[in-house]
Amino acid sequence: DAGVIQSPRHEVTEMGQEVTLRCKPISGHDYLFWYRQTMMRGLELLIYFNNNVPIDDSGMPEDRFSAKMPNASFSTLKIQPSEPRDSAVYFCASSLVSRGEQYFGPGTRLTVT
Amino acid sequence: AQTVTQSQPEMSVQEAETVTLSCTYDTSESDYYLFWYKQPPSRQMILVIRQEAYKQQNATENRFSVNFQKAAKSFSLKISDSQLGDAAMYFCAFNAGGTSYGKLTFGQGTILTVHP
Repeated sequence: DAGVIQSPRHEVTEMGQEVTLRCKPISGHDYLFWYRQTMMRGLELLIYFNNNVPIDDSGMPEDRFSAKMPNASFSTLKIQPSEPRDSAVYFCASSLVSRGEQYFGPGTRLTVT
Repeated sequence: AQTVTQSQPEMSVQEAETVTLSCTYDTSESDYYLFWYKQPPSRQMILVIRQEAYKQQNATENRFSVNFQKAAKSFSLKISDSQLGDAAMYFCAFNAGGTSYGKLTFGQGTILTVHP
C-alpha cells in the first residue's frame, strides 16, 4: 500500500503569498494530523481530524493558518499570508484509531523569503 | 497532561555495538501506547517499534527492543549490532486514550551518531 503522500516536497515563496500544502492519507485511516517541525520548537501538532471532522486546532499558530479535509482521502493546510517565521518542515500523518501509531508523510520543506 | 522526556540530547555508538536510548513519561492513564520513531537526515519519520501498556512483554523488532517499566514510567530503546544506517534522531512518543485519544506526545529527541 502507498504511504501518506504529501505535495509539494519543497516550496519556496515570498512573504505575503498564499501557500497550500496537500496530503493524501493512507486509505482506511480515520485520523489525520498536521505537524510543523523547526529546530527551535521541535515537532508541534497543528491540527487533527477524525473522520474528516476537525477535532483539535489549538496548535494552529494564528488565523493565517487554516486546514480542511473535504473527504477521507485529501486534506490541505493553507497559510495566507505567509511570513518568514513560517519556514519549517510540515508533516502530515494518518492513523487507525484502533492501533495508536501514526504514519508520516515525507514532509514539505517550506521556505518563506 | 502527558509529558515525555528524553534526557539524552546526543548519544554515540561504535558500529556493531549496542546502545540504549532513554525515555520517561508522565501520565495518569492506565491504558496507552508508546512508540519510538526514527528520523534520518532524509527527515522521513519512521516508526521503529510499538508497545501497548497492558502488555507486560517487551516489544522486539529485529535489532530493536524496548525495556518497558510501567511502574517507573520508563520506556528505553535498545539497538543491538548498530549499523551506520541507524544514525538518526530518535523520538519517543506517547498516545493515551480519553479526550486526547489519537494525539501523540513527543519527546525532544536524541541524536544518535554511529561511528565506523
